[in-house]
Formats: sequence, C-alpha cells, structure tokens
Amino acid sequence: DSGVTQTPKHLITATGQRVTLRCSPRSGDLSVYWYQQSLDQGLQFLIQYYNGEERAKGNILERFSAQQFPDLHSELNLSSLELGDSALYFCASSPRRGSAEAFFGQGTRLTVV
Amino acid sequence: AQTVTQSQPEMSVQEAETVTLSCTYDTSESDYYLFWYKQPPSRQMILVIRQEAYKQQNATENRFSVNFQKAAKSFSLKISDSQLGDAAMYFCAYRDSNTGNQFYFGTGTSLTVIP
Repeated sequence: DSGVTQTPKHLITATGQRVTLRCSPRSGDLSVYWYQQSLDQGLQFLIQYYNGEERAKGNILERFSAQQFPDLHSELNLSSLELGDSALYFCASSPRRGSAEAFFGQGTRLTVV
Repeated sequence: AQTVTQSQPEMSVQEAETVTLSCTYDTSESDYYLFWYKQPPSRQMILVIRQEAYKQQNATENRFSVNFQKAAKSFSLKISDSQLGDAAMYFCAYRDSNTGNQFYFGTGTSLTVIP
C-alpha cells in the first residue's frame, strides 16, 4: 500500500458527461501529480500541484481541470467526455521538492461508452 | 525539456537468469534523480530503485541493481535471478531537483519471464 488513495477505482460513464476523480496523497506529502495511461501506453503527465498551487502543466486538455484543496487532497475534473478519454488515471504524491520518489495510487479506470 | 528513452519495447528472460533493461535520458542539469518503476498486470506503479545523480555508487535493492553512467546519460536496470513475479512493464523516470519537480517517464519495457 503506497498510502495514496484514489476514488473511485472504476468509473463507467457516457460520452458528453462529466466526472470527478479524487486523490488523497500520503500524509504530509505536498505535491500531487496526475497522469493518464491509455491502453498499452506510457504515462502522460497531466498536471502537478504543490501545496495548493499549480506547479506544472503537461498535455492536459482544456476539457480537463484539477485543483488541490487546503487539506491537500486533489480532484481531477473531466468534462465533455469522449471515447478517447477512456484510460487509467493515476495520482501520485511526493513529500518535498527534488529529492524523493513519487508514490502512486492504484489508479481510477475510466471507461467512456 | 528532459526526455527519457527506453529503446526496448519488449524483453524476455528465462527464470533464474539475468536481464538488463536500458534507459537513456537527456538533460542539461547536473543534479537530478533517476528511478525505475514496475507496473505488473495489476497496473499498480511500484518503485523498484532510485539513484541520485550526485552519487557515483550504483544503487542496489536485493536482486535489482542499476548501472548509472552519468557522462553517457545512461541508467540501466539489471534484474538478477529473475522470478516469475518480475514479469511486468518497467518504466524509467527522471526528476530534476531544481525546477518544476516534474517526473519524466520513458515509454516502458515489457518484461516476460519464461519458466
């Protein structure tokens, strides 16, 4: 158990809908990262938050948004969903700058039908 | 931007044998960290080993060790006495310690262990 909790584990929704994925980082970790992994693909970096502020942005679509709350949990909002958004969405956390590895949650499997 | 390259999409190894997975990276930074993550069929991302760039000694974790060649920007993973449970996708990752704190991942190497 990495200590990073993602909910829900599985999500099935229809095209055009909006969903929210939730991530609780390890206790004390300030950084949260979101990654997308499509079938048989590598990890695509979406966005990073550090202590409530956006730190880095990757190839995140405009239909997607995220935020990190004062209690350090984070939510990834996906809207106007398309079939191609079906993927495994990972959240990872790390405790401080530059010196530590990322600990990954178990991911949320999103299926858009 | 930093890039991480894994040139071996697939590898296989006989059980109990040794296999080496390759990784190269590109950076202009002198201070950074390198990682190998394992993703078994469960899809959970598991840290295998970590290397700090300022350390000359190669990291080891039980049957897993790395060959870190800083000048060549190479970071290979050696798995000794391979076990069936080692079968997974392996990702090499880079993290710059100075800016952005973003992790950069390679495209992965799928390792098959043959009984």
